[in-house]
Amino acid sequence: DIVMTQSPLSLPVTPGEPASISCRSSQSLLHSNGHNYLDWYLQKPGQSPQLLIYLGSKRASGVPDRFSGSGSGTDFTLKISRVEAEDVGVYYCMEALQGPFSFGPGTKVDIK
Amino acid sequence: EVQLVQSGAEVKKPGESLKISCKGSGYTFTSYWIAWVRQMPGQGPEWMGVIWPADSDTRYSPSFEGRVTFSVDKSVTTAYLHWTRLQPSDSAMYFCAMSSGSGSYTNWGQGTLVTVSS
Repeated sequence: DIVMTQSPLSLPVTPGEPASISCRSSQSLLHSNGHNYLDWYLQKPGQSPQLLIYLGSKRASGVPDRFSGSGSGTDFTLKISRVEAEDVGVYYCMEALQGPFSFGPGTKVDIK
Repeated sequence: EVQLVQSGAEVKKPGESLKISCKGSGYTFTSYWIAWVRQMPGQGPEWMGVIWPADSDTRYSPSFEGRVTFSVDKSVTTAYLHWTRLQPSDSAMYFCAMSSGSGSYTNWGQGTLVTVSS
């Protein structure tokens, strides 16, 4: 199985400042079709996870453009250009290349 | 509007059976995978597996195979997660989610909280 790791696990942020989360997989998530099968989800307190980024860098429908995903192979990054108060919650990366799909341990983002 | 609406919270005793549901609406039910995801208290999500509603093709995570069963009823656009013998360790929040196939889960149910206690 593919193992996902994230850093940091806790990230206090200041509204208006940028933030960055790293995700690493134990195997390459780059498919022969050229896509990286890596998603980013945000789970706000008391809510279901919501898709932010799919295929490594594509923003899901309705996701603000302050969120961006990058990376390839085994190393990926989620960036928030200017954090807003509504962005607090736990961010998870998830590999979608080979089953069983696995989630990272999560990065808890809260306001300083 | 695409929606996945799950059944309500359940409190069960060890050894009992349980089936929870996930009703899809606002889209072609048979054209999207339905995944089940477990989230234990204070933990991250765990992918349990998926079912293709068109033909009930199922893929289980080895961690859950043999312990749960996925099914669908296309006539009511509903997917089900079934346990025959619950254990206290099955206590968790369970989510259903839909995907077009790339594994990206665009829509999620609100979750069903299952509590197993004697």
